[in-house]
Amino acid sequence: NAGVIQTPRHKVTGKGQEATLWCEPISGHSAVFWYRQTIVQGLEFLTYFRNQAPIDDSGMPKERFSAQMPNQSHSTLKIQSTQPQDSAVYLCASSMGLGGAETLYFGSGTRLTVL
Amino acid sequence: GEKVEQHESTLSVREGDSAVINCTYTDTASSYFPWYKQEAGKSLHFVIDIRSNVDRKQSQRLIVLLDKKAKRFSLHITATQPEDSAIYFCAASGGSNYKLTFGKGTLLTVTP
Repeated sequence: NAGVIQTPRHKVTGKGQEATLWCEPISGHSAVFWYRQTIVQGLEFLTYFRNQAPIDDSGMPKERFSAQMPNQSHSTLKIQSTQPQDSAVYLCASSMGLGGAETLYFGSGTRLTVL
Repeated sequence: GEKVEQHESTLSVREGDSAVINCTYTDTASSYFPWYKQEAGKSLHFVIDIRSNVDRKQSQRLIVLLDKKAKRFSLHITATQPEDSAIYFCAASGGSNYKLTFGKGTLLTVTP
């Protein structure tokens, strides 16, 4: 079991460019989460999928951020027109998704730097 | 929404001593309180959790206490070892059960 796989590990973009981050959850896990980690804000919830369906995107900055889960083996987080304040480590996590509060298994994260 | 405050931003203990990290939360609907550990350069991994139907849980050297009246929970690490050195995050579920709100983290340093 390779755990949650996130690619790329590091991404550098220029201001105004687009960034797409990829996540492969643990096989058999039904729930996928995206969090953002910065020194100032800490860990912030972005969005949550269960069985590929978007359940809660209340943490997503609506205008430029979007997330999809086209199949059970991967999810993407897309940031359009990136801004310096988007610089952060973006963490994907998965869980069994049995409906209750459960252990999250985090990937190693993608460090996004917007110049 | 839920807010979680982690009271110690840094904590330094000698090997073999106990370490205590305290967190408070605001949402009375929170029922699930996990703790995660992040070692230097690595991602988070789960260490222990407690649910609101109990007030104490122990797993080897880790003890979690929950005081629902005070909306406070704490992680106790007994007989600390250098490999316990890491950032520890507390979290609370809020009313959703899936959407964790994390504290800002406590950097624990265990010196030999």
